[in-house]
Amino acid sequence: ILNVEQSPQSLHVQEGDSTNFTCSFPSSNFYALHWYRWETAKSPEALFVMTLNGDEKKKGRISATLNTKEGYSYLYIKGSQPEDSATYLCAFSQPEYGNKLVFGAGTILRVKS
Amino acid sequence: GAGVSQSPSNKVTEKGKDVELRCDPISGHTALYWYRQRLGQGLEFLIYFQGNSAPDKSGLPSDRFSAERTGESVSTLTIQRTQQEDSAVYLCASSLWGGYNEQFFGPGTRLTVL
Repeated sequence: ILNVEQSPQSLHVQEGDSTNFTCSFPSSNFYALHWYRWETAKSPEALFVMTLNGDEKKKGRISATLNTKEGYSYLYIKGSQPEDSATYLCAFSQPEYGNKLVFGAGTILRVKS
Repeated sequence: GAGVSQSPSNKVTEKGKDVELRCDPISGHTALYWYRQRLGQGLEFLIYFQGNSAPDKSGLPSDRFSAERTGESVSTLTIQRTQQEDSAVYLCASSLWGGYNEQFFGPGTRLTVL
């Protein structure tokens, strides 16, 4: 059974703070790790898809790292803004499960101005 | 270009009725997925299609749930004899084939079973 865990469950920060979340996944037979942002009343939107151990990706103030050997990924947000408020989901796939993504429960971020 | 669309956006039905939810994926995306999110819970995988076939139906909660896809395009998710626990937001996503391709999500259908 695939299990993806995210922490913390929720986070409240002040505008300008930097923050990070963790995604833990099975380290065997890794295929891909996805990060999505899900804003209220909108659809989940892909941030990153990561496939290589040691990979680092960046989009604006948001970046992510990947460690497939130990089974974790970190998502960092530098200088949080109110518009960053959303639920951040990670999802994991293994080759034997094809395209199926198993999602974590998400980290809810609220940024106060 | 056009994104993933879903209809209806909201559906209120009575317990025991059948409902059909529709998903129009992005043109050219061979993979199509159905998920749901019940209140207070995470995103739950239901089924995915590779072309018109469904290699993995393991996420369908019961035999009241079925899905089909035709012409490597539109998909319908059918829930028969709806129950209150079926109330959820049902999301559809599509992607190019391969677990390393990002999935593009539709706006969802909010189903409420009274």
